[in-house]
Amino acid sequence: KQEVTQIPAALSVPEGENLVLNCSFTDSAIYNLQWFRQDPGKGLTSLLLIQSSQREQTSGRLNASLDKSSGRSTLYIAASQPGDSATYLCAVLNDYKLSFGAGTTVTVRA
Amino acid sequence: ETGVTQTPRHLVMGMTNKKSLKCEQHLGHNAMYWYKQSAKKPLELMFVYSLEERVENNSVPSRFSPECPNSSHLFLHLHTLQPEDSALYLCASSRERSMNTEAFFGQGTRLTVV
Repeated sequence: KQEVTQIPAALSVPEGENLVLNCSFTDSAIYNLQWFRQDPGKGLTSLLLIQSSQREQTSGRLNASLDKSSGRSTLYIAASQPGDSATYLCAVLNDYKLSFGAGTTVTVRA
Repeated sequence: ETGVTQTPRHLVMGMTNKKSLKCEQHLGHNAMYWYKQSAKKPLELMFVYSLEERVENNSVPSRFSPECPNSSHLFLHLHTLQPEDSALYLCASSRERSMNTEAFFGQGTRLTVV
């Protein structure tokens, strides 16, 4: 059974600092990995999708890396803003199922 | 907007009530999913439909009954729920179940069972 772990569980940084969010998974036979953002009480917004054959994906201030063999992904958010405050979820797809981590809750202080 | 719409956004129901959650997508996707998100826990997959056929049922109690009348609509029928069923219920869709595709989620229905 796939287990997905996200560290840290919570993170508070001053505005402008870079954010580093970590995700690890136990079964490396994945199809893809997705990073999502969730605002309190809301649904999930897809941020980045990394295919199993890729090493990284970039979108604006966001960059996600994938090391499938070691079962790790990192989401980098450059020059954080208060609007980046949310919970970030990592999910891996294998065996036709998306398995989620518990998330990292980020607070960016103005 | 992700293209996946869920109604209602909030629902309060008694343990003897019967209600339904609705999910709609017009993205042309063939796979639809129900997830449950309880406080401080990872999302749990409940059901998967592919081309209107249920292909996954993750040991969900029978008081939850899914229905997929066509590839654009997915329902979750609820009856005789328990307080521990209170959670955020999320619907998602993807182009294909078996392909390496991106999943899109709705805004969720916040369910409270009293």
